[in-house]
Amino acid sequence: AQSVTQLGSHVSVSEGALVLLRCNYSSSVPPYLFWYVQYPNQGLQLLLKYTTGATLVKGINGFEAEFKKSETSFHLTKPSAHMSDAAEYFCAVIKSSSASKIIFGSGTRLSIRP
Amino acid sequence: DTEVTQTPKHLVMGMTNKKSLKCEQHMGHRAMYWYKQKAKKPPELMFVYSYEKLSINESVPSRFSPECPNSSLLNLHLHALQPEDSALYLCASSQGRTGSTYEQYFGPGTRLTVT
Repeated sequence: AQSVTQLGSHVSVSEGALVLLRCNYSSSVPPYLFWYVQYPNQGLQLLLKYTTGATLVKGINGFEAEFKKSETSFHLTKPSAHMSDAAEYFCAVIKSSSASKIIFGSGTRLSIRP
Repeated sequence: DTEVTQTPKHLVMGMTNKKSLKCEQHMGHRAMYWYKQKAKKPPELMFVYSYEKLSINESVPSRFSPECPNSSLLNLHLHALQPEDSALYLCASSQGRTGSTYEQYFGPGTRLTVT
């Protein structure tokens, strides 16, 4: 069965610093992987996705993630944090037995220090 | 256009009221979803409609009643709710077709408060 683990419920970085949000998944088959962002009192916005092909995936707002099968990881990075990046970030995987069900990680709250 | 709209944005209702949440998408998606999200938690799946038919019900109490009138609209009818049902209710849609990439697009949510 698929599952997703996000390491760190809260990450704080300085403005301009590297952002690294960690996500590990378990899956018996090649997964579909996603990162979503949620700003306060808003819905979830798709940042990027991995389905097949290139393992380095670029998303919106300067974020990217790399699918590493050997490490079962899909960490999210951004070279230089901006104040507007402060939000909740969710890693997610599609459950193989039903493409209709997304399994979300517990979320990581990103704070940006001036 | 990857927009999913939801109305109302906020809703306050008493435990004896009947109200409805509405969701609309015009992306031609054939799968639509209702989620419940409590503060500081990920969304929890409630219902999935595929081609206007209910395909998944995650053992949701009967005081929540979904309806899919057509491929663009999804409603959630609420009756006799409890205070613990207060949450952000999110609607989402996806292509829902074999061979698609399965990402879901979310609406902004309805913030529900049950008094």
